[in-house]
Amino acid sequence: EVVLTQSPGTLSLSPGERATLSCRASQTVYSDYLAWYQQKPGQAPRLLIYGASNRATGIPDRFSGGGSGTDFTLTISRLQPEDCAVYYCHHYGDSPFGQGTKVEIK
Amino acid sequence: QVQLVESGGGLVKPGGSLRLSCAVSGFTFSDYYMSWIRQVPGKGLEWISYISSTDILTYYADSVKGRFTISRDNAKNSLFLQMNNLTADDTAVYYCARGQWLADYWGQGAPVTVSA
Repeated sequence: EVVLTQSPGTLSLSPGERATLSCRASQTVYSDYLAWYQQKPGQAPRLLIYGASNRATGIPDRFSGGGSGTDFTLTISRLQPEDCAVYYCHHYGDSPFGQGTKVEIK
Repeated sequence: QVQLVESGGGLVKPGGSLRLSCAVSGFTFSDYYMSWIRQVPGKGLEWISYISSTDILTYYADSVKGRFTISRDNAKNSLFLQMNNLTADDTAVYYCARGQWLADYWGQGAPVTVSA
């Protein structure tokens, strides 16, 4: 089973700043099999990125994903107040998600 | 539009059983794998089960294998999760979701509390 470790635990930034979230896998994984989800308080998660770098339907282009091998990133280029959420990475085929990164807006 | 609505959650004693349902609309249910994903309060997410479109293939996480059973009724656009021999560790919000290993639509979640 691939273990996903996300960092940092919490990211506190101002609106308009760039947010970079990390997801490190315990072993090499196929980029096609890495997804990112956003969960706002009191809501169900929402698919953001699939195949490491493909935005899901309706996701703004300020969200981008990248990486390969064991290191993947989710970047929010210009942080908006509505981006306040917990972000999870997930590798297809494994039960647990990463533990999440909480993004706070200053 | 796509809608997934869970029901059947609640309070149950340790060792008890519960059956969750998920009513689906807005897409051709019989064309898609469906999954159950849970979230322990304040903690992360765990993919616990999926079922293929035609009911042939299922998956269970080790944490629920032998106790939980996923099923579907394509005629009624419904997904189910039968949960038996529940323990406190099963206390969580249970989400139904469309897809196998990639969940592009989620329900609002059904809270399950296992407590004496």
